[in-house]
Amino acid sequence: AQKVTQAQTEISVVEKEDVTLDCVYETRDTTYYLFWYKQPPSGELVFLIRRNSFDEQNEISGRYSWNFQKSTSSFNFTITASQVVDSAVYFCALSEALSLEGNNDMRFGAGTRLTVKP
Amino acid sequence: KAGVTQTPRYLIKTRGQQVTLSCSPISGHRSVSWYQQTPGQGLQFLFEYFSETQRNKGNFPGRFSGRQFSNSRSEMNVSTLELGDSALYLCASSLGTSDSYEQYFGPGTRLTVT
Repeated sequence: AQKVTQAQTEISVVEKEDVTLDCVYETRDTTYYLFWYKQPPSGELVFLIRRNSFDEQNEISGRYSWNFQKSTSSFNFTITASQVVDSAVYFCALSEALSLEGNNDMRFGAGTRLTVKP
Repeated sequence: KAGVTQTPRYLIKTRGQQVTLSCSPISGHRSVSWYQQTPGQGLQFLFEYFSETQRNKGNFPGRFSGRQFSNSRSEMNVSTLELGDSALYLCASSLGTSDSYEQYFGPGTRLTVT
């Protein structure tokens, strides 16, 4: 069975601080996909990144970076120099590759509410 | 390019009734996925449709069903509504192939069951 744990329910930081959102997952599959989504107050989920289980290379996109470590089953997300507009709920999700296409039964973590204060 | 649209945005229904929600994907997208979001259960995957066929399904009772039309628009139906069905229902579209996995979400339909 697959499971995603985001232990941090809420995080509050002051603008320009760096913040890391933790994500730990469980799966018995060797092929799977990990995702991060952002849900701002408007409610619409915004796709941030997908990483497959064979690619442990870390990724950086502007102020965002992701650290994928299979050895600890973690896929952490860091925001550097946070801004007020980063305030949102962030979800980590796992999809086991029952097939290579489509959206299989994606399991989401409970989400971490990030508040960035000016 | 227009984004994903969902109608209606808000809905109030009574226990025992049924409801149909609609989702129009981004033009050219053939995959539509549905999710339920509640404070207690969080975000849960309902099902995915691709080219008018249900391709994947989450762990929800048979009261939850859907379909997809030839223009890729999708509808989700919930029959015999229960109080616990009150939730934000999100729809997401994508091209639906293994190399085009990015999903684009609509604003959601907030369903309240009284």
